[in-house]
Amino acid sequence: AQSVTQLGSHVSVSEGALVLLRCNYSSSVPPYLFWYVQYPNQGLQLLLKYTTGATLVKGINGFEAEFKKSETSFHLTKPSAHMSDAAEYFCAVLSYGNNRLAFGKGNQVVVIP
Amino acid sequence: NAGVTQTPKFRVLKTGQSMTLLCAQDMNHEYMYWYRQDPGMGLRLIHYSVGEGTTAKGEVPDGYNVSRLKKQNFLLGLESAAPSQTSVYFCASKKQGGQPQHFGDGTRLSIL
Repeated sequence: AQSVTQLGSHVSVSEGALVLLRCNYSSSVPPYLFWYVQYPNQGLQLLLKYTTGATLVKGINGFEAEFKKSETSFHLTKPSAHMSDAAEYFCAVLSYGNNRLAFGKGNQVVVIP
Repeated sequence: NAGVTQTPKFRVLKTGQSMTLLCAQDMNHEYMYWYRQDPGMGLRLIHYSVGEGTTAKGEVPDGYNVSRLKKQNFLLGLESAAPSQTSVYFCASKKQGGQPQHFGDGTRLSIL
């Protein structure tokens, strides 16, 4: 079974401050991990993904995430928040050999000017 | 290249009515998915398909039916709509063995 935990449904961050969104997963086999972003009234857009290889993954819009197997985590960070980062962010896990993504419940990010 | 297109974008139904949501993809993807998104619940998988003519149940299949008669289309049907089915519905597709899933812009469905 695979599952994802994202704590804190709403996250407020000041413009220019660090953005940190936490994601922990459970998977019985090596996972593929994803972060998606959803802007208002739009579908989900892939931010970044980890499949194999380098554990620090860089994505679009200055975001990055690090896969830590020992902590079963895949936290998303961005050094300096911009107003345009206001959106909902979803972490997702796919176990190798599975066809189905499991999504976390999402973090709604609010950027305060 | 349109990607994944969902129609309609908005719809209001009365309890007991039926309707079909259409998802079309032009990327020749084998796999297609229907999700519903509710506040605080993330995305939950309703049904999915790994190829033309095949469908399978996801986490929350009750009250929905699907069909994949053509590779590029995946239809989601509500036979007798209930207020609990008020939600935003997303379709996604991906290549066999590939990642990630590509999402449509969603269908906002309200059932009164």
